[in-house]
Amino acid sequence: SAVISQKPSRDICQRGTSLTIQCQVDSQVTMMFWYRQQPGQSLTLIATANQGSEATYESGFVIDKFPISRPNLTFSTLTVSNLSPEDSSIYLCSVDGRVMGRTWTDTQYFGPGTRLTVL
Amino acid sequence: QKEVEQNSGPLSVPEGAIASLNCTYSDRGSQSFFWYRQYSGKSPELIMFIYSNGDKEDGRFTAQLNKASQYVSLLIRDSQPSDSATYLCAVKAGTASKLTFGTGTRLQVTL
Repeated sequence: SAVISQKPSRDICQRGTSLTIQCQVDSQVTMMFWYRQQPGQSLTLIATANQGSEATYESGFVIDKFPISRPNLTFSTLTVSNLSPEDSSIYLCSVDGRVMGRTWTDTQYFGPGTRLTVL
Repeated sequence: QKEVEQNSGPLSVPEGAIASLNCTYSDRGSQSFFWYRQYSGKSPELIMFIYSNGDKEDGRFTAQLNKASQYVSLLIRDSQPSDSATYLCAVKAGTASKLTFGTGTRLQVTL
């Protein structure tokens, strides 16, 4: 499986500021995903990030609030803008298991997550 | 109506017993089904996937799929305290890459 890292692992931010989360994969992957997991809740998909194209956002999530970059096949960033306490969550990146040049697997692998607390 | 439904639990089973976790889904076009385990404070970890009706076994885990009833389950045999976690059911429709997650069932294995 792919090795996925995220930075930072956790952060405490002030209301009105922004946080950029980085996701790095050790293999080239076609699709990367960003999820939010609010306390005690399941995972909600924010957007799908493909290299070389605009991210595709899910209903309820907009680019102005959650801008995403995907500059190459191993890296993506998610920015959470204009933070409010309601943005306090764990943010997870995941990758589609169809890793280029390796055995195709129809799964998603998750990074370790970024725990965001907004004061 | 939620797309993927799970009983939130907690489901409490004694050590050594069989834990049975259930999931129903609403999209009849769903083709791929996954079970993830999530320990508190950690990210989800894939433990099983199943595509065809019937049973699929991997060690102590068995996934069961019934597409006619839109039902997928996970059985954990010889449950251990280390199995205590939240189990997330996820469903993928057709060739899409997007996963839809259930709310998860919290499993507690007691000594």
